[in-house]
Amino acid sequence: DAGVTQSPTHLIKTRGQHVTLRCSPISGHKSVSWYQQVLGQGPQFIFQYYEKEERGRGNFPDRFSARQFPNYSSELNVNALLLGDSALYLCASSLGVGGIGNIQYFGAGTRLSVL
Amino acid sequence: RKEVEQDPGPFNVPEGATVAFNCTYSNSASQSFFWYRQDCRKEPKLLMSVYSSGNEDGRFTAQLNRASQYISLLIRDSKLSDSATYLCVVNRNSGYALNFGKGTSLLVTP
Repeated sequence: DAGVTQSPTHLIKTRGQHVTLRCSPISGHKSVSWYQQVLGQGPQFIFQYYEKEERGRGNFPDRFSARQFPNYSSELNVNALLLGDSALYLCASSLGVGGIGNIQYFGAGTRLSVL
Repeated sequence: RKEVEQDPGPFNVPEGATVAFNCTYSNSASQSFFWYRQDCRKEPKLLMSVYSSGNEDGRFTAQLNRASQYISLLIRDSKLSDSATYLCVVNRNSGYALNFGKGTSLLVTP
């Protein structure tokens, strides 16, 4: 079975541009979460979606937005890119939210460089 | 205070050694606890969940002390392949987020 897939794997953008990152969860998983990981730090929570509804939002500016589609795939959008947005963006899928259903499995990530 | 705190290390140990990692969390309402492993430039992978009674998976033993808000991971008989960053992870049962520590780096040497 396929795991969590993310695209693209690498991306280079310039300040002020917009970026869209994509994620397909494990088959049967209905929840997708997005995390940002900068070098030397643990992943930081950005969003969680379950059944196409936002279930949680981390401490990120409004330049960050996301959505989940009927097939449970998800997009993360970042507007007006800043140098500090350079990071590994990780998508995680889980069966649901809460308890054992929230064990999250990560994709390989998208490495974003903002120049 | 950060929600999840870990000693960043690095821990350099010889093959066969026993090594222990510690983690504290600040939210007493936290319900679920995990250890993830992350290899260099790779994604985090679930190593094991941590249960109140403590649990073991082969050479790995995890302990949880809710009163002290403390989690530990013990690795026995270290292998070269155990070299990685170990992430302590806590979430609330509402499932809104996984809160990660910064990770503890382990290097097992021949």
